[in-house]
Amino acid sequence: DAGITQSPRHKVTETGTPVTLRCHQTENHRYMYWYRQDPGHGLRLIHYSYGVKDTDKGEVSDGYSVSRSKTEDFLLTLESATSSQTSVYFCAISHSGGDTQYFGPGTRLTVL
Amino acid sequence: AQSVSQHNHHVILSEAASLELGCNYSYGGTVNLFWYVQYPGQHLQLLLKYFSGDPLVKGIKGFEAEFIKSKFSFNLRKPSVQWSDTAEYFCAVTAIYNQGGKLIFGQGTELSVKP
Repeated sequence: DAGITQSPRHKVTETGTPVTLRCHQTENHRYMYWYRQDPGHGLRLIHYSYGVKDTDKGEVSDGYSVSRSKTEDFLLTLESATSSQTSVYFCAISHSGGDTQYFGPGTRLTVL
Repeated sequence: AQSVSQHNHHVILSEAASLELGCNYSYGGTVNLFWYVQYPGQHLQLLLKYFSGDPLVKGIKGFEAEFIKSKFSFNLRKPSVQWSDTAEYFCAVTAIYNQGGKLIFGQGTELSVKP
């Protein structure tokens, strides 16, 4: 398995609180991605990064922000969590755009 | 906009039955195609991929898929399923000239194999 870790693995929080999820890789891959997985929707891209400090929006980016200050770390922040953001969040990495993406173990987030 | 459609939401088979999961995509340009598998409680793992060349690709655990460009399809097959194949299967597509290589996923097919 690719060297990808996500933290925390589980989190329960309340509506309106900020939440930050971390993805850490040891593969030195340039591209990193955040997806959310919801029943009946598959995985949907939230944001992605194509290099340090280079990020772009995916299809479901509203309410989320990201930052990448180092190659190995990609942070996803929910500025003010809502119940609709209850989901499982997966980080992925790839060597280049269009190449195979390898997924982390996921973070299960519950917003009450 | 690109989209991926998986025909079956839930498939139930007995062990040793043959499997075929349908996947169609909508995009007129050149694409890379993937099938991922997610076992219960686990992350997504790559089953197989198609970038170019022979349209019949073989993956892990006896799975294979055929890319039919004229039909915009990339169906997954396995001649004889096992109980351990119980999982959710996702088809995904990326346009090769798409900045960032954004993957578009189908909604997934849940496969249940009865022993």
